Amino acid sequence: DAGITQSPRHKVTETGTPVTLRCHQTENHRYMYWYRQDPGHGLRLIHYSYGVKDTDKGEVSDGYSVSRSKTEDFLLTLESATSSQTSVYFCAIKGLAGTDTQYFGPGTRLTVL
Amino acid sequence: GNSVTQMEGPVTLSEEAFLTINCTYTATGYPSLFWYVQYPGEGLQLLLKATKADDKGSNKGFEATYRKETTSFHLEKGSVQVSDSAVYFCALSDNGGATNKLIFGTGTLLAVQP
Repeated sequence: DAGITQSPRHKVTETGTPVTLRCHQTENHRYMYWYRQDPGHGLRLIHYSYGVKDTDKGEVSDGYSVSRSKTEDFLLTLESATSSQTSVYFCAIKGLAGTDTQYFGPGTRLTVL
Repeated sequence: GNSVTQMEGPVTLSEEAFLTINCTYTATGYPSLFWYVQYPGEGLQLLLKATKADDKGSNKGFEATYRKETTSFHLEKGSVQVSDSAVYFCALSDNGGATNKLIFGTGTLLAVQP
């Protein structure tokens, strides 16, 4: 258990509304990641962070922004949600220094109507 | 760019049958390779990993060997159980820098029938 929680776990929203998903970790890991999971695509990286205020884009970053103001929290924001952003969102952390294994949170199921 | 291809599912087996889920990859350099498992309604759990050629990862009766010559990392289990029913993801670690982004296959659904 890597001590990762995500909130909310489920959310239904309407097109055009802003949405923020939160990832919280308790073990002071430097690297954090946001992925989305869609049928036929597996998981795809949205954004990642390599430290407080240090973030970068992943493969599918359009329409998403992130922030990391403290080590334990990594926020994913959909500025204006669209139906194509209906997905399951997973946060992950990279384990101990010198390893490349990632550990995942329980996920947030987001539905955009 | 780097990519992972795994066999499409669903794979349906009877209990105690032998399991193989194929995974091949395209990568520059020497990525680490992973199998993750996702049980219904849950997040992804690391099942096993291998970090260099000819390494064998193993866990809970599952095994996979890092084959550089065939760029493969096939998942095997000698005798599956109903409790193994889940989605299995093959992934590689993009070792371009320290960020270690994971690149996933599309997932294979395994259904084991009693």
